Amino acid sequence: AQSVAQPEDQVNVAEGNPLTVKCTYSVSGNPYLFWYVQYPNRGLQFLLKYITGDNLVKGSYGFEAEFNKSQTSFHLKKPSALVSDSALYFCAVRYGSSNTGKLIFGQGTTLQVKP
Amino acid sequence: GAGVSQSPRYKVAKRGQDVALRCDPISGHVSLFWYQQALGQGPEFLTYFQNEAQLDKSGLPSDRFFAERPEGSVSTLKIQRTQQEDSAVYLCASSFDGDSPLHFGNGTRLTVT
Repeated sequence: AQSVAQPEDQVNVAEGNPLTVKCTYSVSGNPYLFWYVQYPNRGLQFLLKYITGDNLVKGSYGFEAEFNKSQTSFHLKKPSALVSDSALYFCAVRYGSSNTGKLIFGQGTTLQVKP
Repeated sequence: GAGVSQSPRYKVAKRGQDVALRCDPISGHVSLFWYQQALGQGPEFLTYFQNEAQLDKSGLPSDRFFAERPEGSVSTLKIQRTQQEDSAVYLCASSFDGDSPLHFGNGTRLTVT
Protein backbone atom coordinates (compact mmCIF):
# COMPACT_ATOMS: atom_id res chain seq x y z
CA ALA A 1 0.00 0.00 0.00
CA GLN A 2 1.14 3.53 -0.72
CA SER A 3 1.93 5.68 2.31
CA VAL A 4 3.74 8.80 3.36
CA ALA A 5 5.26 9.51 6.77
CA GLN A 6 6.35 12.82 8.22
CA PRO A 7 8.03 11.82 11.49
CA GLU A 8 8.13 15.30 13.03
CA ASP A 9 4.98 17.13 14.12
CA GLN A 10 6.96 20.35 14.47
CA VAL A 11 10.32 21.71 13.42
CA ASN A 12 11.79 24.79 15.06
CA VAL A 13 14.61 26.75 13.47
CA ALA A 14 16.14 30.19 13.88
CA GLU A 15 15.86 32.66 11.05
CA GLY A 16 18.88 32.44 8.75
CA ASN A 17 19.63 28.84 9.66
CA PRO A 18 19.13 25.92 7.27
CA LEU A 19 15.96 23.91 7.65
CA THR A 20 14.99 20.33 6.87
CA VAL A 21 11.50 18.84 6.98
CA LYS A 22 11.57 15.08 6.72
CA CYS A 23 9.43 12.76 4.59
CA THR A 24 9.61 9.05 3.89
CA TYR A 25 7.39 7.13 1.53
CA SER A 26 6.30 3.65 0.60
CA VAL A 27 5.11 3.02 -2.94
CA SER A 28 5.04 0.25 -5.46
CA GLY A 29 6.66 1.32 -8.69
CA ASN A 30 8.24 4.68 -9.38
CA PRO A 31 7.30 7.35 -6.90
CA TYR A 32 5.82 10.70 -7.88
CA LEU A 33 6.49 12.93 -4.88
CA PHE A 34 5.28 16.39 -3.95
CA TRP A 35 5.60 19.06 -1.29
CA TYR A 36 2.80 21.48 -0.49
CA VAL A 37 2.63 24.31 2.05
CA GLN A 38 -0.49 25.46 3.88
CA TYR A 39 -0.87 28.82 5.58
CA PRO A 40 -3.59 29.33 8.24
CA ASN A 41 -7.12 29.17 6.85
CA ARG A 42 -5.81 28.73 3.33
CA GLY A 43 -5.64 25.92 0.83
CA LEU A 44 -2.47 24.10 -0.04
CA GLN A 45 0.13 25.67 -2.33
CA PHE A 46 2.41 23.61 -4.54
CA LEU A 47 6.12 23.91 -3.76
CA LEU A 48 7.85 21.28 -5.85
CA LYS A 49 7.65 17.79 -7.29
CA TYR A 50 9.84 14.86 -8.21
CA ILE A 51 8.84 12.71 -11.16
CA THR A 52 12.13 11.60 -12.63
CA GLY A 53 15.61 12.94 -13.33
CA ASP A 54 17.90 14.81 -10.93
CA ASN A 55 17.58 13.77 -7.33
CA LEU A 56 17.75 17.40 -6.19
CA VAL A 57 14.59 19.25 -7.11
CA LYS A 58 14.30 23.02 -6.84
CA GLY A 59 10.97 24.68 -6.20
CA SER A 60 9.22 27.85 -5.14
CA TYR A 61 10.42 30.34 -2.50
CA GLY A 62 13.96 28.92 -2.42
CA PHE A 63 12.92 25.46 -1.28
CA GLU A 64 14.45 22.29 -2.61
CA ALA A 65 14.03 18.60 -1.93
CA GLU A 66 16.33 15.64 -2.24
CA PHE A 67 15.01 12.34 -3.51
CA ASN A 68 16.84 9.36 -2.03
CA LYS A 69 15.68 6.07 -3.48
CA SER A 70 17.70 3.82 -1.17
CA GLN A 71 16.33 5.54 1.93
CA THR A 72 12.88 6.09 0.38
CA SER A 73 13.05 9.70 1.51
CA PHE A 74 12.14 13.07 0.03
CA HIS A 75 13.24 15.66 2.59
CA LEU A 76 12.42 19.33 2.07
CA LYS A 77 15.27 21.77 2.57
CA LYS A 78 16.10 25.45 2.49
CA PRO A 79 19.56 26.91 3.05
CA SER A 80 18.40 29.97 4.99
CA ALA A 81 15.01 30.06 6.74
CA LEU A 82 12.76 33.12 6.85
CA VAL A 83 10.16 33.94 9.50
CA SER A 84 7.62 34.00 6.66
CA ASP A 85 8.36 30.32 5.96
CA SER A 86 6.47 29.45 9.14
CA ALA A 87 3.56 27.29 8.00
CA LEU A 88 2.29 23.70 7.75
CA TYR A 89 4.12 21.52 5.23
CA PHE A 90 2.75 18.39 3.60
CA CYS A 91 4.58 15.70 1.70
CA ALA A 92 2.50 13.68 -0.76
CA VAL A 93 2.83 10.74 -3.11
CA ARG A 94 0.74 10.21 -6.21
CA TYR A 95 -0.93 6.87 -6.72
CA GLY A 96 -3.46 5.32 -9.02
CA SER A 97 -3.27 5.49 -12.79
CA SER A 98 -0.57 7.69 -14.20
CA ASN A 99 -2.94 10.31 -15.58
CA THR A 100 -4.63 11.28 -12.34
CA GLY A 101 -3.39 13.54 -9.62
CA LYS A 102 -4.76 11.47 -6.75
CA LEU A 103 -2.45 12.12 -3.84
CA ILE A 104 -1.82 10.55 -0.45
CA PHE A 105 -0.68 13.20 2.03
CA GLY A 106 1.42 12.87 5.14
CA GLN A 107 0.16 14.16 8.46
CA GLY A 108 1.94 17.46 8.04
CA THR A 109 4.84 19.16 9.81
CA THR A 110 4.55 22.59 11.36
CA LEU A 111 7.59 24.71 10.66
CA GLN A 112 8.26 27.49 13.15
CA VAL A 113 10.98 29.97 12.21
CA LYS A 114 11.92 32.31 15.04
CA PRO A 115 13.53 35.71 14.54
CA GLY B 1 -5.56 35.02 -12.94
CA ALA B 2 -8.25 33.76 -10.60
CA GLY B 3 -7.55 30.70 -8.54
CA VAL B 4 -9.85 27.95 -7.38
CA SER B 5 -12.83 29.46 -5.62
CA GLN B 6 -14.88 27.66 -2.99
CA SER B 7 -18.10 28.71 -1.32
CA PRO B 8 -19.27 29.07 1.32
CA ARG B 9 -16.12 29.69 3.27
CA TYR B 10 -17.76 28.47 6.48
CA LYS B 11 -20.87 26.37 6.96
CA VAL B 12 -22.57 25.40 10.19
CA ALA B 13 -25.19 22.68 9.89
CA LYS B 14 -27.34 20.94 12.41
CA ARG B 15 -27.03 17.20 12.47
CA GLY B 16 -29.35 15.71 9.91
CA GLN B 17 -29.33 18.69 7.55
CA ASP B 18 -28.19 18.49 3.95
CA VAL B 19 -25.38 20.74 2.74
CA ALA B 20 -23.99 21.68 -0.67
CA LEU B 21 -20.45 22.92 -1.17
CA ARG B 22 -19.43 24.65 -4.37
CA CYS B 23 -16.14 24.69 -6.24
CA ASP B 24 -15.21 26.92 -9.19
CA PRO B 25 -11.99 25.54 -10.68
CA ILE B 26 -9.48 27.48 -12.70
CA SER B 27 -10.83 28.02 -16.20
CA GLY B 28 -9.63 25.34 -18.60
CA HIS B 29 -8.62 22.87 -15.92
CA VAL B 30 -9.74 19.40 -16.90
CA SER B 31 -9.14 17.62 -13.63
CA LEU B 32 -11.01 18.38 -10.42
CA PHE B 33 -10.56 16.77 -7.01
CA TRP B 34 -12.32 16.92 -3.67
CA TYR B 35 -10.39 16.28 -0.45
CA GLN B 36 -11.47 16.16 3.17
CA GLN B 37 -9.12 17.54 5.80
CA ALA B 38 -9.89 16.75 9.41
CA LEU B 39 -8.38 18.92 12.14
CA GLY B 40 -4.66 18.26 12.50
CA GLN B 41 -4.57 15.81 9.60
CA GLY B 42 -3.46 15.80 6.01
CA PRO B 43 -6.08 16.00 3.26
CA GLU B 44 -7.73 12.74 2.27
CA PHE B 45 -8.95 12.03 -1.24
CA LEU B 46 -12.70 11.91 -1.79
CA THR B 47 -13.38 11.95 -5.52
CA TYR B 48 -11.99 12.90 -8.93
CA PHE B 49 -13.49 14.29 -12.14
CA GLN B 50 -12.06 14.51 -15.58
CA ASN B 51 -14.25 17.09 -17.29
CA GLU B 52 -17.81 16.01 -16.40
CA ALA B 53 -16.95 12.37 -15.84
CA GLN B 54 -16.52 11.18 -12.28
CA LEU B 55 -13.72 8.70 -12.74
CA ASP B 56 -13.01 7.84 -9.14
CA LYS B 57 -15.25 8.12 -6.10
CA SER B 58 -13.46 5.56 -3.99
CA GLY B 59 -12.74 8.04 -1.18
CA LEU B 60 -16.34 9.05 -0.49
CA PRO B 61 -16.92 7.83 3.08
CA SER B 62 -20.56 6.87 2.68
CA ASP B 63 -23.51 7.02 0.33
CA ARG B 64 -24.50 10.27 2.04
CA PHE B 65 -21.75 11.95 0.03
CA PHE B 66 -22.41 12.84 -3.58
CA ALA B 67 -20.45 14.97 -6.04
CA GLU B 68 -21.24 16.25 -9.50
CA ARG B 69 -19.69 18.36 -12.22
CA PRO B 70 -22.41 18.37 -14.88
CA GLU B 71 -20.84 20.75 -17.40
CA GLY B 72 -17.22 19.97 -16.73
CA SER B 73 -16.58 23.20 -14.85
CA VAL B 74 -18.24 24.03 -11.51
CA SER B 75 -18.53 21.13 -9.10
CA THR B 76 -20.79 20.58 -6.11
CA LEU B 77 -20.15 18.27 -3.19
CA LYS B 78 -23.37 17.37 -1.40
CA ILE B 79 -23.61 15.75 1.99
CA GLN B 80 -26.99 14.42 3.04
CA ARG B 81 -28.12 13.95 6.63
CA THR B 82 -24.92 15.42 8.04
CA GLN B 83 -23.29 13.78 11.05
CA GLN B 84 -20.81 15.22 13.54
CA GLU B 85 -18.00 13.16 12.04
CA ASP B 86 -18.50 15.07 8.78
CA SER B 87 -17.05 18.18 10.43
CA ALA B 88 -13.89 19.01 8.50
CA VAL B 89 -12.46 21.33 5.90
CA TYR B 90 -13.44 20.32 2.39
CA LEU B 91 -10.83 21.24 -0.18
CA CYS B 92 -11.32 21.42 -3.91
CA ALA B 93 -8.36 21.29 -6.29
CA SER B 94 -8.02 21.48 -10.04
CA SER B 95 -5.25 20.87 -12.54
CA PHE B 96 -4.77 21.37 -16.24
CA ASP B 97 -4.17 17.67 -16.68
CA GLY B 98 -3.21 14.66 -14.60
CA ASP B 99 0.49 15.46 -14.64
CA SER B 100 0.18 19.10 -13.57
CA PRO B 101 0.37 20.19 -9.93
CA LEU B 102 -2.90 20.65 -8.11
CA HIS B 103 -4.20 24.15 -7.39
CA PHE B 104 -6.21 24.18 -4.20
CA GLY B 105 -9.00 26.45 -3.10
CA ASN B 106 -9.13 27.86 0.43
CA GLY B 107 -11.66 25.26 1.45
CA THR B 108 -15.04 25.17 3.13
CA ARG B 109 -14.99 24.58 6.87
CA LEU B 110 -18.04 22.51 7.76
CA THR B 111 -19.11 22.28 11.38
CA VAL B 112 -21.94 19.93 12.23
CA THR B 113 -23.57 20.64 15.59
